[in-house]
Amino acid sequence: GAVVSQHPSRVICKSGTSVKIECRSLDFQATTMFWYRQFPKQSLMLMATSNEGSKATYEQGVEKDKFLINHASLTLSTLTVTSAHPEDSSFYICSATAGGDSGNTIYFGEGSWLTVV
Amino acid sequence: KQEVTQIPAALSVPEGENLVLNCSFTDSAIYNLQWFRQDPGKGLTSLLLIQSSQREQTSGRLNASLDKSSGRSTLYIAASQPGDSATYLCAVKPIAGNMLTFGGGTRLMVKP
Repeated sequence: GAVVSQHPSRVICKSGTSVKIECRSLDFQATTMFWYRQFPKQSLMLMATSNEGSKATYEQGVEKDKFLINHASLTLSTLTVTSAHPEDSSFYICSATAGGDSGNTIYFGEGSWLTVV
Repeated sequence: KQEVTQIPAALSVPEGENLVLNCSFTDSAIYNLQWFRQDPGKGLTSLLLIQSSQREQTSGRLNASLDKSSGRSTLYIAASQPGDSATYLCAVKPIAGNMLTFGGGTRLMVKP
């Protein structure tokens, strides 16, 4: 079964509103979570890395004030798209790992489709 | 900065063919390389993971090889089936840290 769960799997929101996507590790403590964005027929682009209890590290070109990431517990990270616009419509995927050691397995969520109308 | 390239970007083959998907990466200092499958609108399914010390991994009709020194990996699919139609992504993990760098993917269509 899935070890990383994302919710919602699909969401439609109006332009200008904010939407929150949750990423939960189900049976392990995720000290590090990653958020990716994927446009249709394109690959995954890393948006940010979040470590529990500290501020997320954003990749170049990703607006941290627009894509708010909170990793307040060892099992939950949230991505909030603020003041969403149609160009934010995309597939967002999270992944999680139990530790910073490279030997830890990385688990992916099922992804969340965001459509901004 | 690590860059991962996958060739071809798209591939259409008749059922039953054996095929090879290619992945290349610019920085050979990797911890492992992983092949994923992604169905349209879905998340990622891990297919094979090759540690940097390994040269290949096999699972059923799938075989992945790794030549770290030349920065290449191949995914071999034997006796392709229509159910194999999907996008195949390769990703490398660095020696330090857990951030994966993905290739652009190969969209595979296997025709009955």
